[in-house]
Amino acid sequence: GAGVSQSPSNKVTEKGKDVELRCDPISGHTALYWYRQSLGQGLEFLIYFQGNSAPDKSGLPSDRFSAERTGGSVSTLTIQRTQQEDSAVYLCASSRQGAKLFFGSGTQLSVL
Amino acid sequence: EDQVTQSPEALRLQEGESSSLNCSYTVSGLRGLFWYRQDPGKGPEFLFTLYSAGEEKEKERLKATLTKKESFLHITAPKPEDSATYLCAVQAGGGSTLGRLYFGRGTQLTVWP
Repeated sequence: GAGVSQSPSNKVTEKGKDVELRCDPISGHTALYWYRQSLGQGLEFLIYFQGNSAPDKSGLPSDRFSAERTGGSVSTLTIQRTQQEDSAVYLCASSRQGAKLFFGSGTQLSVL
Repeated sequence: EDQVTQSPEALRLQEGESSSLNCSYTVSGLRGLFWYRQDPGKGPEFLFTLYSAGEEKEKERLKATLTKKESFLHITAPKPEDSATYLCAVQAGGGSTLGRLYFGRGTQLTVWP
């Protein structure tokens, strides 16, 4: 596609449920990032995939968070046993290695 | 620890009233400094990359400059459509993940007619 695509655009879930967020990066971009943006806060780095290398998971806030990238393209961010503090906008970005990031429009996650 | 601080947090300008946004940073070996624009409900949109002190880049009414400690985003004769949140981010060297950006909290700019 022409840009980074994220789905769903909005997700409302109950505390304790698991959620999956999807990111479809720009074709040909080898790097893929997940960031989280909470109200009034800066973008918080979560995880980074580069080609076939082991992902950098250093930003994941707890073991309830995990992500995978299949076939070097689509990525899924999974949050298990969601908590209210997980409510935020989850942004995905892709880039050619080391170059500027292109962001999707994000998934607004609300945990009730 | 790598840090990025933006000021002011919010800025209101009358149309045509020029001003500057500030981004100060402390990183271990700057690889690049990025400016993004973010509209409500959308992801950040790339504006500029600066790599070395003294570098300047321009796009329409925007001009970004870089020193060894900070960057400025100058807005000349702004229009209401320039209203957005402007984000600054740095890409660090050393042991940081290649490509990982550290973001400031942004400056929310409002331009009124």
